Amino acid sequence: GENVEQHPSTLSVQEGDSAVIKCTYSDSASNYFPWYKQELGKRPQLIIDIRSNVGEKKDQRIAVTLNKTAKHFSLHITETQPEDSAVYFCAASGTSGGSYIPTFGRGTSLIVHP
Amino acid sequence: NAGVTQTPKFRVLKTGQSMTLLCAQDMNHEYMYWYRQDPGMGLRLIHYSVGEGTTAKGEVPDGYNVSRLKKQNFLLGLESAAPSQTSVYFCASSLLGDTEAFFGQGTRLTVV
Repeated sequence: GENVEQHPSTLSVQEGDSAVIKCTYSDSASNYFPWYKQELGKRPQLIIDIRSNVGEKKDQRIAVTLNKTAKHFSLHITETQPEDSAVYFCAASGTSGGSYIPTFGRGTSLIVHP
Repeated sequence: NAGVTQTPKFRVLKTGQSMTLLCAQDMNHEYMYWYRQDPGMGLRLIHYSVGEGTTAKGEVPDGYNVSRLKKQNFLLGLESAAPSQTSVYFCASSLLGDTEAFFGQGTRLTVV
């Protein structure tokens, strides 16, 4: 099955700095790569996603890049704000028993200091 | 639209007791999942379903059973709870396995 590695596990930045979180995956057939944000005590919610036929996608201050050859993808947050503080999860939808099933990374705790 | 709803939100069990967690979605999604979230371990897949009447094992299925008798509901059962099952449980649903997943609000389970 799919295996997703996520780094770093904790990231501390100053407000206004950029933050980058990286993930690698193992299943070359994986075709969908979402990123979820989980605020303290809340449920994970999608913030951005990318499909295997696209190399980069941007939405205001966040962007995701995908390198299919190297099997890694990254989340980029620019001009970080205190409200960006949360746990971020990457996921990759790889094949399992003929279906695509998402596998999650272990999460990155982002702390933005005012 | 309520989205994905889990019941209960909190529960304390004694070792050996049984319980069922209910997940309901009103988005007509085919896929449903149960995850457990432990500190530093991310979201680990327990069981999943790709449609009504189907279930499959995920990464950490031992000690859990599931059923999907109706498309909108996915039940997670613990037959004999153990302290190692203390965790936060999230249900999720998606139209397909490679589309956005929508999560329930979570169930915090403590087994003493």
